Amino acid sequence: KAGVTQTPRYLIKTRGQQVTLSCSPISGHRSVSWYQQTPGQGLQFLFEYFSETQRNKGNFPGRFSGRQFSNSRSEMNVSTLELGDSALYLCASSRRQGASGNTIYFGEGSWLTVV
Amino acid sequence: QQQVKQSPQSLIVQKGGISIINCAYENTAFDYFPWYQQFPGKGPALLIAIRPDVSEKKEGRFTISFNKSAKQFSLHIMDSQPGDSATYFCAAIVSGTASKLTFGTGTRLQVTL
Repeated sequence: KAGVTQTPRYLIKTRGQQVTLSCSPISGHRSVSWYQQTPGQGLQFLFEYFSETQRNKGNFPGRFSGRQFSNSRSEMNVSTLELGDSALYLCASSRRQGASGNTIYFGEGSWLTVV
Repeated sequence: QQQVKQSPQSLIVQKGGISIINCAYENTAFDYFPWYQQFPGKGPALLIAIRPDVSEKKEGRFTISFNKSAKQFSLHIMDSQPGDSATYFCAAIVSGTASKLTFGTGTRLQVTL
């Protein structure tokens, strides 16, 4: 059974550009969440999608957005990139919303460097 | 506001020793507490998890101890091995309608020979 797949794994962008990251959840999983990981701030929740609807949002500016497709695949977009957006972006999937007994699996992440 | 505090930041343990990582939380609505293990270049992987109605859960060499009244929980790694060298994150979540994990700051564990 394939795990959570994220593409691209590594990318370098210039300040002011935008970037789109893609996530394919585990087959049968309908909940997809995104996290940002940095050495300074640790792992921070960005947003969660379930059945193509954003269900929860973290404390990030509107430059960070996402969407989920009918096949549960998800994309996140960051516009007008800033140096501080350099981070590992992690996608996580679970079979349903909520956590009790509902294992949340992470992908290996997309490393974004903004120069 | 940091809702889950984790300590220590780093830990060095000899092979065969016991590694102990502690976490404390503030939000009493949290009702599910997973631990994740992350190796360099990889995403976090679920190690073990506990609900607050249980005081201890053991899976192999890994044990979670939970103190609901103190709002604290800890991970014990028995017979630590060099392969356990990784960063460990505690997390907490309000189960039900969201899958939003609140993570601790992480503990970098190094197990020496």
